[in-house]
Amino acid sequence: AQTVTQSQPEMSVQEAETVTLSCTYDTSESDYYLFWYKQPPSRQMILVIRQEAYKQQNATENRFSVNFQKAAKSFSLKISDSQLGDAAMYFCACQEPSGGGADGLTFGKGTHLIIQP
Amino acid sequence: DVKVTQSSRYLVKRTGEKVFLECVQDMDHENMFWYRQDPGLGLRLIYFSYDVKMKEKGDIPEGYSVSREKKERFSLILESASTNQTSMYLCASSLARGDANSPLHFGNGTRLTVT
Repeated sequence: AQTVTQSQPEMSVQEAETVTLSCTYDTSESDYYLFWYKQPPSRQMILVIRQEAYKQQNATENRFSVNFQKAAKSFSLKISDSQLGDAAMYFCACQEPSGGGADGLTFGKGTHLIIQP
Repeated sequence: DVKVTQSSRYLVKRTGEKVFLECVQDMDHENMFWYRQDPGLGLRLIYFSYDVKMKEKGDIPEGYSVSREKKERFSLILESASTNQTSMYLCASSLARGDANSPLHFGNGTRLTVT
């Protein structure tokens, strides 16, 4: 079983600044995967970034990077140089490949990111 | 690019009606999923399928059923719609079970209102 917690229902940031979205998770597995998905107003969920638990190096995708702290079970998303198009709901998710059911994918409740022009 | 298509973007149904939500993916994915999304609750898994004619219950299957007669199509069925099933429904697919190199690909969602 796994749980994913996003403690910030809403965040606001000025355009061009940096913002960090928090996520903590709980899993008994040693092998798992972590994801951040973005859901813009158009509603389609898009994968932003993923991290394999066995990799110590933090994943990076252009302006998006993660701070993965395995011992603390923390997986935060940093967005640098925020742009208006970054405004969306962001969901953190955990996947246990060895778990039962739907690849063991569990989502947090989401953080609504507002970009102030 | 993987395309997951949900047949309706908005749907309004009456209490007691039988409702079909259709989802089609075009990349020969093995896995398909139906999630429900509600404000403050995130995404909750209703049903999923790893193969044709195969289905498994997710976290909130009550009041729903599914059908997967063909690999590319996964239907969610509300046997007798109720007002508490008013929600956003998201369909997703992925290539293979337990393969994190194949993350979930989502459709655009169907916003269902039951009156």
